[in-house]
Amino acid sequence: DQQVKQNSPSLSVQEGRISILNCDYTNSMFDYFLWYKKYPAEGPTFLISISSIKDKNEDGRFTVFLNKSAKHLSLHIVPSQPGDSAVYFCAASAAGNTPLVFGKGTRLSVIA
Amino acid sequence: DTGVSQNPRHKITKRGQNVTFRCDPISEHNRLYWYRQTLGQGPEFLTYFQNEAQLEKSRLLSDRFSAERPKGSFSTLEIQRTEQGDSAMYLCASSLPPDPEYFGPGTRLTVL
Repeated sequence: DQQVKQNSPSLSVQEGRISILNCDYTNSMFDYFLWYKKYPAEGPTFLISISSIKDKNEDGRFTVFLNKSAKHLSLHIVPSQPGDSAVYFCAASAAGNTPLVFGKGTRLSVIA
Repeated sequence: DTGVSQNPRHKITKRGQNVTFRCDPISEHNRLYWYRQTLGQGPEFLTYFQNEAQLEKSRLLSDRFSAERPKGSFSTLEIQRTEQGDSAMYLCASSLPPDPEYFGPGTRLTVL
């Protein structure tokens, strides 16, 4: 049973526009959420995180929103750039320090 | 610090052979994790260490898999009697809680 779900396998966005990647989770014990970006033949790279005491966290072009009642989070990238093209993974943990549970990823393509 | 390193980057072996992978974490990180990733999936947790103590093992980690972190620094993951189903990317990550996990580039295993 997938505890972290990324229902869109792929997303295409024009350069300069907003990219919105979505993630749903089922385990109400999760309280720490992260987004990782992965290029081919490389390991995942940490992007941004949010703890359950917040509903928004920003870092430059990246913003993560958390809706605890809906068990939903999203990553917004504004403006999108061609270098953002990669696979994005949503991950979650319980009590902040347990091993991460990952979704299957969403492949983002930013078209120039 | 150059980040998490993993060796080898690629390993091709025949079914039934034993293989060993090495992970060198970021030097001040006390936690070290092993994950496995197959095509179209997100990373799946295998096991993790805090210093030299192995704290948790996933049920994915069959008896043919063993991991060690003898001095609380580098770690090895050994797979005995490899099977074709073991073909995957093996990812190592390290962290110093409450900071997030940082991943290495992975070791791609192909079992023929």
